[in-house]
Amino acid sequence: AQSVTQLGSHVSVSEGALVLLRCNYSSSVPPYLFWYVQYPNQGLQLLLKYTTGATLVKGINGFEAEFKKSETSFHLTKPSAHMSDAAEYFCAVTRGYNTDKLIFGTGTRLQVFP
Amino acid sequence: SQTIHQWPATLVQPVGSPLSLECTVEGTSNPNLYWYRQAAGRGLQLLFYSVGIGQISSEVPQNLSASRPQDRQFILSSKKLLLSDSGFYLCAWSRASEKLFFGSGTQLSVL
Repeated sequence: AQSVTQLGSHVSVSEGALVLLRCNYSSSVPPYLFWYVQYPNQGLQLLLKYTTGATLVKGINGFEAEFKKSETSFHLTKPSAHMSDAAEYFCAVTRGYNTDKLIFGTGTRLQVFP
Repeated sequence: SQTIHQWPATLVQPVGSPLSLECTVEGTSNPNLYWYRQAAGRGLQLLFYSVGIGQISSEVPQNLSASRPQDRQFILSSKKLLLSDSGFYLCAWSRASEKLFFGSGTQLSVL
């Protein structure tokens, strides 16, 4: 069975600081991994996804994530936080090869201070 | 372009009352449709998905049901709400093996 663990329900950073949101997964088959972002009063948007190939995946708004099989991790990073990055971030893994059936983590709320 | 509409945005209902949340998709045909729920402190949970009119798959046993009366319409219902039904409900659509597109969600509070 697939599962996702997001470490830290709240993360606070200063504007301009590194953003690191942690995600570890468990999967009995090669996983497809996703990061979604939910801005206040909006639906979820896909930030980036890993399926196969290059393990460093670049997404929108300067975010990137690296798939590390040995560590079963897919941490999300951004070199320099912006105030507009404040949102809820969800890591997700597929159940098997069907990319529609996503298993989500509990989410990490990112706060950015000036 | 494709758009997804979900309403209402917020809803407060008493325990034991019925529920109907509606979701419609525009600009595409024969989409896969989904209902997710985000309960407080938990991740998004897939409740139902549909690959066509009248075809509904339930992922977890619960007090809710779903229907797809038209190709681009997906309805989440309950005959009698429970306190545990409170949460944030998201409708989503996709074409097979492509990313999900989510609606803006409905915050349901059952009191």
